[in-house]
Amino acid sequence: AQKVTQAQTEISVVEKEDVTLDCVYETRDTTYYLFWYKQPPSGELVFLIRRNSFDEQNEISGRYSWNFQKSTSSFNFTITASQVVDSAVYFCALSEAYRSGGGADGLTFGKGTHLIIQP
Amino acid sequence: GAVVSQHPSWVICKSGTSVKIECRSLDFQATTMFWYRQFPKQSLMLMATSNEGSKATYEQGVEKDKFLINHASLTLSTLTVTSAHPEDSSFYICSAIPRSGGATDTQYFGPGTRLTVL
Repeated sequence: AQKVTQAQTEISVVEKEDVTLDCVYETRDTTYYLFWYKQPPSGELVFLIRRNSFDEQNEISGRYSWNFQKSTSSFNFTITASQVVDSAVYFCALSEAYRSGGGADGLTFGKGTHLIIQP
Repeated sequence: GAVVSQHPSWVICKSGTSVKIECRSLDFQATTMFWYRQFPKQSLMLMATSNEGSKATYEQGVEKDKFLINHASLTLSTLTVTSAHPEDSSFYICSAIPRSGGATDTQYFGPGTRLTVL
């Protein structure tokens, strides 16, 4: 069975600080996909990144960066120079490549990390 | 691109009534859609996978007869909560995978529907 653990329930930092959100996953598959989503108070999920299990290169997108390490089954997310608009709940999620019998697989979400950026 | 809508955005109903929630992919076709449920301050839990033209696949513990799913076309899936009770009050979110993508393509999420059962 697959599992995603986000040990940090809530993080509060002051604006402009860097902050890292941790994500640890478990899966028996060798082919899988990892995601990060942002959920602001409005509730709508905003897609941030998708990474497949064969691509361990770290990625940077503006103030966001992701560190994927298969050796530790982690996919951590760092926000540099945080801003108040970054305040939201952030979810890490896992999808195995294919369900038994074929077809797409739904996402297994972590419990989320509530990030609070104070001005 | 890749916009998913849900209707209604919120609904309040009396216990025992049925409620239908629609999920539409606006600018793409989706052979597969998913339904998730999120209780307050909790994570999203996958309820079922909806495939166009076939029966939905439900996750363990989700009652098929209570949560009826119909994927009538490549752009529409509906979730009907039958005989709703207060414990069904939750935030229901759908997602869709573009038909042009593979089975593992990114899921695009709708804005969610908040159901309150009195």
